[in-house]
Amino acid sequence: DGGITQSPKYLFRKEGQNVTLSCEQNLNHDAMYWYRQDPGQGLRLIYYSQIVNDFQKGDIAEGYSVSREKKESFPLTVTSAQKNPTAFYLCASSERQGNTGELFFGEGSRLTVL
Amino acid sequence: DQQVKQNSPSLSVQEGRISILNCDYTNSMFDYFLWYKKYPAEGPTFLISISSIKDKNEDGRFTVFLNKSAKHLSLHIVPSQPGDSAVYFCAATTQTGANNLFFGTGTRLTVIP
Repeated sequence: DGGITQSPKYLFRKEGQNVTLSCEQNLNHDAMYWYRQDPGQGLRLIYYSQIVNDFQKGDIAEGYSVSREKKESFPLTVTSAQKNPTAFYLCASSERQGNTGELFFGEGSRLTVL
Repeated sequence: DQQVKQNSPSLSVQEGRISILNCDYTNSMFDYFLWYKKYPAEGPTFLISISSIKDKNEDGRFTVFLNKSAKHLSLHIVPSQPGDSAVYFCAATTQTGANNLFFGTGTRLTVIP
């Protein structure tokens, strides 16, 4: 089945540790995105990538880093510089740049900082 | 600053009746609007969209209405079914596409059997 796979689903981290969230898609989509969801807030864009080896900051990129070495993969690293990392993280993809917002989402990863 | 707002965090409707979910936006440059549906422990899924050149788009039981002068859109579900119980997100973008998609905070719809 085609889709987006995020792992792990749940992750606990101690303060000061970096953690990497995995996102893999087999939809052959060019563009991939990372969003963050907090209680009572809409989804906010962290980073996006429209093509391999290229990515752009979204609205809340501080404290995060990404890579896009393969079309299928767009991992997100939450660094110790992220002041409030506890959140629900969603990865998404779309067919091409300029796509009018129809995204395919993974099931999400919930990160809790202890 | 929240450019897309869903002021009702929750809505309960009897099965078979109409569900109306509302969304307001502030940016007049938005020209494409979408609704996403999210079940617990799953990612959002695309439901329906509308371009600013239209004022209505219909897909089965789901209809989205756009009032550009009021900067308001609504999603109507008729008839509502228990399986429609989910969180619904409104989103808006400009022609530059999904990398500047702005989401509302979501409305949790509960359809009571």
